[in-house]
Amino acid sequence: GQQVMQIPQYQHVQEGEDFTTYCNSSTTLSNIQWYKQRPGGHPVFLIQLVKSGEVKKQKRLTFQFGEAKKNSSLHITATQTTDVGTYFCATDRGSTLGRLYFGRGTQLTVWP
Amino acid sequence: GAGVSQTPSNKVTEKGKYVELRCDPISGHTALYWYRQSLGQGPEFLIYFQGTGAADDSGLPNDRFFAVRPEGSVSTLKIQRTERGDSAVYLCASSVQGQGYGYTFGSGTRLTVV
Repeated sequence: GQQVMQIPQYQHVQEGEDFTTYCNSSTTLSNIQWYKQRPGGHPVFLIQLVKSGEVKKQKRLTFQFGEAKKNSSLHITATQTTDVGTYFCATDRGSTLGRLYFGRGTQLTVWP
Repeated sequence: GAGVSQTPSNKVTEKGKYVELRCDPISGHTALYWYRQSLGQGPEFLIYFQGTGAADDSGLPNDRFFAVRPEGSVSTLKIQRTERGDSAVYLCASSVQGQGYGYTFGSGTRLTVV
């Protein structure tokens, strides 16, 4: 079954608006990874968070890992049409095997 | 190569036929993964190789699915007696050594069983 729950499943925004997707777990996570998949494309690794309360930024993208390490968020400031795609969170649940468990993703549509 | 290469990009096969999907990972990446993705879903784990051996094959849905990586680089996913429910995009990914490193995915093979 799913190890991480993502909300919302879909998000439609006007270009320039902000966007946030959330990833939640009922158990403590050892780490969280975020991927972006463009329509018709494949998932592309964005970032990994490991530490409690960690915040990382990539230009207009801000990634956070909760203090309890049970949730994470991805926030995009001032969306652009190039941000369109599905954003997935994933975790290895601390496994030494490296297997990742993916959420169902949040599909972002940006209207020009 | 510069990225993870998967061939073919598309495969249409008849129900009951055998198919092979190929993955050529990034040179030097010891960890190789197969996932499959259905529309509207996240990637679903199938199998993980560390070097030549399958370190975790617990995601293979049944014994019709098999994968090999004989020389620790190229991997082949084999599906026997294909069923319509096998239709999906099969994604291969590689990473430096497994745990704690982001995956680099290939472009996938879209398998359609008719």
